[in-house]
Amino acid sequence: EADIYQTPRYLVIGTGKKITLECSQTMGHDKMYWYQQDPGMELHLIHYSYGVNSTEKGDLSSESTVSRIRTEHFPLTLESARPSHTSQYLCASTQGRMAGANVLTFGAGSRLTVL
Amino acid sequence: AQKVTQAQTEISVVEKEDVTLDCVYETRDTTYYLFWYKQPPSGELVFLIRRNSFDEQNEISGRYSWNFQKSTSSFNFTITASQVVDSAVYFCALSGVSGYSTLTFGKGTMLLVSP
Repeated sequence: EADIYQTPRYLVIGTGKKITLECSQTMGHDKMYWYQQDPGMELHLIHYSYGVNSTEKGDLSSESTVSRIRTEHFPLTLESARPSHTSQYLCASTQGRMAGANVLTFGAGSRLTVL
Repeated sequence: AQKVTQAQTEISVVEKEDVTLDCVYETRDTTYYLFWYKQPPSGELVFLIRRNSFDEQNEISGRYSWNFQKSTSSFNFTITASQVVDSAVYFCALSGVSGYSTLTFGKGTMLLVSP
């Protein structure tokens, strides 16, 4: 049973639309992450957060933005979607208090297709 | 900088064969964590194991075993008597021990187990 929820699971939209991918976790985890997974399977960290009001950019530059107003919620927004944004987006979380915890719990992913 | 290399992009085996997934890493840290995650067709990554760099003992869990060799910077994963349900993408990952560390993933190895 999932403790981290992503919606929508699948989304097909037209170019130029604004979209928000939702991610919520019920574990009280401090740290949350967004990964982009390309068709070649590789995972790229695009955003992460250490806690409320904390957001950081990841290793891969992304046109998306994130917010962390509540501990359990870490939404990702694309203001104007383009075909290059077509990808699988994976949300993850982990407890932040322990150094090196990093045992991530992942959501099932949101597969975005931009036409 | 940290780097994880999974040289095998795809491996195909027949059920009941043993299979080893290779993982080689690079890091300047003297202490670090190594991980393996499994991504079944359903999409979410599932944590399999975390190993501290201090602990070079091999580990066995059912049909799974892990061989950590610090001298060769390798953390290989063996599945004994593979089953169709083992078909998935497997990711090796590395992180520092700081609470601010993020995971560096390899590109993944797709394992296909046929009946």
